[in-house]
Amino acid sequence: AQSVAQPEDQVNVAEGNPLTVKCTYSVSGNPYLFWYVQYPNRGLQFLLKYITGDNLVKGSYGFEAEFNKSQTSFHLKKPSALVSDSALYFCAVRDLYNFNKFYFGSGTKLNVKP
Amino acid sequence: NAGVTQTPKFRVLKTGQSMTLLCAQDMNHEYMYWYRQDPGMGLRLIHYSVGEGTTAKGEVPDGYNVSRLKKQNFLLGLESAAPSQTSVYFCASSLAGVIAETQYFGPGTRLLVL
Repeated sequence: AQSVAQPEDQVNVAEGNPLTVKCTYSVSGNPYLFWYVQYPNRGLQFLLKYITGDNLVKGSYGFEAEFNKSQTSFHLKKPSALVSDSALYFCAVRDLYNFNKFYFGSGTKLNVKP
Repeated sequence: NAGVTQTPKFRVLKTGQSMTLLCAQDMNHEYMYWYRQDPGMGLRLIHYSVGEGTTAKGEVPDGYNVSRLKKQNFLLGLESAAPSQTSVYFCASSLAGVIAETQYFGPGTRLLVL
């Protein structure tokens, strides 16, 4: 079965500092991985995805994610955090045997303090 | 384009009452999904549809029914609401035939069952 795990319920970082939101995955075969962001009282918005190729994926709003096959991780990163980045972040993986299904992590709340 | 819209935005039900949540998309997407979001559990797939007239069960389908009579609409029904169905419900849609296609989410419906 495909799954992702987000080990941190909450991440706190000061504005201007780099941020990392962690995600590990468990899939058989090549993974299709996604990051979404959810602002308060809003639906999820797509940030970036990994399909194949370069391990460093660049996405929206200055975010990037590093795919690491040996560590089965897909951590979300940003060099310099903004207060406006404060939101709930979800990692997701697409089911390789049923492309209609996505599996989401439990979410990580990012708090960026001024 | 409005994208994915959901109605209503918020609803309070008494145990045993029924209701229908409506999802509409104007992007001509084949695939549509219903998720529920509960604290600490991420998003869980309730039902999904790969095209007009077709539906399938997701991870947590019990207590829900769906219909896809028109390509642009995906309805989620609760025949006899229970307090365990208190949640935030999200609809999403995506293109068909693209392995790593992203999902587009609606703003959500908050449901409280007393």
